[in-house]
Amino acid sequence: AQSVSQHNHHVILSEAASLELGCNYSYGGTVNLFWYVQYPGQHLQLLLKYFSGDPLVKGIKGFEAEFIKSKFSFNLRKPSVQWSDTAEYFCAVNANYGGSQGNLIFGKGTKLSVKP
Amino acid sequence: EAGVAQSPRYKIIEKRQSVAFWCNPISGHATLYWYQQILGQGPKLLIQFQNNGVVDDSQLPKDRFSAERLKGVDSTLKIQPAKLEDSAVYLCASSGKRGYLGNTIYFGEGSWLTVV
Repeated sequence: AQSVSQHNHHVILSEAASLELGCNYSYGGTVNLFWYVQYPGQHLQLLLKYFSGDPLVKGIKGFEAEFIKSKFSFNLRKPSVQWSDTAEYFCAVNANYGGSQGNLIFGKGTKLSVKP
Repeated sequence: EAGVAQSPRYKIIEKRQSVAFWCNPISGHATLYWYQQILGQGPKLLIQFQNNGVVDDSQLPKDRFSAERLKGVDSTLKIQPAKLEDSAVYLCASSGKRGYLGNTIYFGEGSWLTVV
């Protein structure tokens, strides 16, 4: 069965600091990978996704993630965080069956607090 | 474009009572999902519909949870009788064609349930 691990439960940074949130998954086959963000009081929104091609994926608001197949990882990065990035971040994965996809499995989330 | 609509946003009930949540997906989306998100965890899929048919309900506690999507548009999730451990946010989500590679799943704001 697929599973997703997010290493950090709560990350606290100052503005302008660099961010890296870890995500590892377990699944032997081909996968699609996603990062979702949930701002306080709002719904889950897609930040970025990877299906195939360039393993470095750029998303909205200056976020990017790199898929490293050998490490089963899809870490999220941002060079300089802002106070408005305070939110909870969820990594998710589903199986890629070569044209169709399985159900989305989420990690437990990482809460990011950015101090102004 | 209107997003996924859910109601009620908040509900407090006593254990053994019943509750129902309603969801209206994005117009034209054939696939509808109900997720349960317990505090401190990522969303977990309860049930997936394709039009008005159930695709996956393997994680739905069928002794107390039921869901329907009679006309292939909006959906209702019911819990009867509720238990304390059902306290969670119930997220409705929708996407386009079932399993289509590249599909993005859009989430509603969630219905927050507290069972006391």
